[in-house]
Amino acid sequence: EADIYQTPRYLVIGTGKKITLECSQTMGHDKMYWYQQDPGMELHLIHYSYGVNSTEKGDLSSESTVSRIRTEHFPLTLESARPSHTSQYLCASSVGASTGELFFGEGSRLTVL
Amino acid sequence: QKEVEQDPGPLSVPEGAIVSLNCTYSNSAFQYFMWYRQYSRKGPELLMYTYSSGNKEDGRFTAQVDKSSKYISLFIRDSQPSDSATYLCAMIYTGRRALTFGSGTRLQVQP
Repeated sequence: EADIYQTPRYLVIGTGKKITLECSQTMGHDKMYWYQQDPGMELHLIHYSYGVNSTEKGDLSSESTVSRIRTEHFPLTLESARPSHTSQYLCASSVGASTGELFFGEGSRLTVL
Repeated sequence: QKEVEQDPGPLSVPEGAIVSLNCTYSNSAFQYFMWYRQYSRKGPELLMYTYSSGNKEDGRFTAQVDKSSKYISLFIRDSQPSDSATYLCAMIYTGRRALTFGSGTRLQVQP
């Protein structure tokens, strides 16, 4: 069983609020990812981290930001949420990116009213 | 054009049926091919993993990769209601930073 945790699982907030989605893993993996998933659509990479203090934007443009000051922690922040940010956000980690074996959290489902 | 195409379904089959799930892709550089299973309100979990062309079997599951046709398949034998989930194909090549996913096929196995 994967040891990667996301909180909150569900969040409903109003437009303009600042939100942080938490992601923690206890496996000591260097690489961590944030994917966005909408119904019937493929997972889109929005952020990637190679390790501490190393982050990159993903293939899908996102107004969110991330930080990685500890190996185990990779939070995602939206400074001012909008209805277009409504989606499922999935956090994942891996030992080696090139082989594609990712461990996913259960997801954070965000609804912005 | 999407790099990976996957029929979204839903696919509904009776218990015990053989299920075939498929993806096509356009980038011949892909080397590693995966199937992830995602239950409702959960994150995806790795189900099968194959490197390059060929078959791999694990219990009731068989993954096939045909690189010449850019086509991958997942077969489920003796399908069970507990197999009801969304199945995502994914692939990557050495040096690429993250997986490319298909959009997923929703499978329902009727008891």
